[in-house]
Amino acid sequence: AQTVTQSQPEMSVQEAETVTLSCTYDTSENNYYLFWYKQPPSRQMILVIRQEAYKQQNATENRFSVNFQKAAKSFSLKISDSQLGDTAMYFCAFMKHPASGTYKYIFGTGTRLKVLA
Amino acid sequence: GAGVSQSPSNKVTEKGKDVELRCDPISGHTALYWYRQSLGQGLEFLIYFQGNSAPDKSGLPSDRFSAERTGGSVSTLTIQRTQQEDSAVYLCASSREGDGNTEAFFGQGTRLTVV
Repeated sequence: AQTVTQSQPEMSVQEAETVTLSCTYDTSENNYYLFWYKQPPSRQMILVIRQEAYKQQNATENRFSVNFQKAAKSFSLKISDSQLGDTAMYFCAFMKHPASGTYKYIFGTGTRLKVLA
Repeated sequence: GAGVSQSPSNKVTEKGKDVELRCDPISGHTALYWYRQSLGQGLEFLIYFQGNSAPDKSGLPSDRFSAERTGGSVSTLTIQRTQQEDSAVYLCASSREGDGNTEAFFGQGTRLTVV
């Protein structure tokens, strides 16, 4: 079974600084997707960034980038120029490419990030 | 509306009562997920609907939990004889295709409190 581990329950960063959130996963699959979702106090999950496992190039979305290390099964999120609005819970998620059936998200337990003014 | 809508936002119920949670997905989205988020935990998969295929119910924790999706649109999650351990935020998400290439959009969830 696949598992996703986020070892940092809470982190804080000064506004405008850079922070990296860690995520590791365990799978025997070769084809899969990885995601980072943000959950602000409103509770609504928002997709931050997505990575396809067959792509070696790390995904980037504006101030957000990932360091995808497939052999190490690591998928960290880097937030540059942190803003107060980045304060939220961040979830790492895995989705395998099923032979058939469900494209199921498997989530980690989350990292609560606080950006300090 | 343009997003996934869930109702009610909050629900307090007495132990032993039945509850129904509703999810209105984005129009045209074929895939619909239900997840449960307990305090300090990640999101736990409950059930997945994709088009006209049989739903994946593998995540439902007990036979007190059931869900249906009528006409490929609105979904209802029903919890019978609620227990205190059912207290959690129940999140619904929908996506256009239900695969990793299309983004899943989440609702704001229903916070269920069983007293």
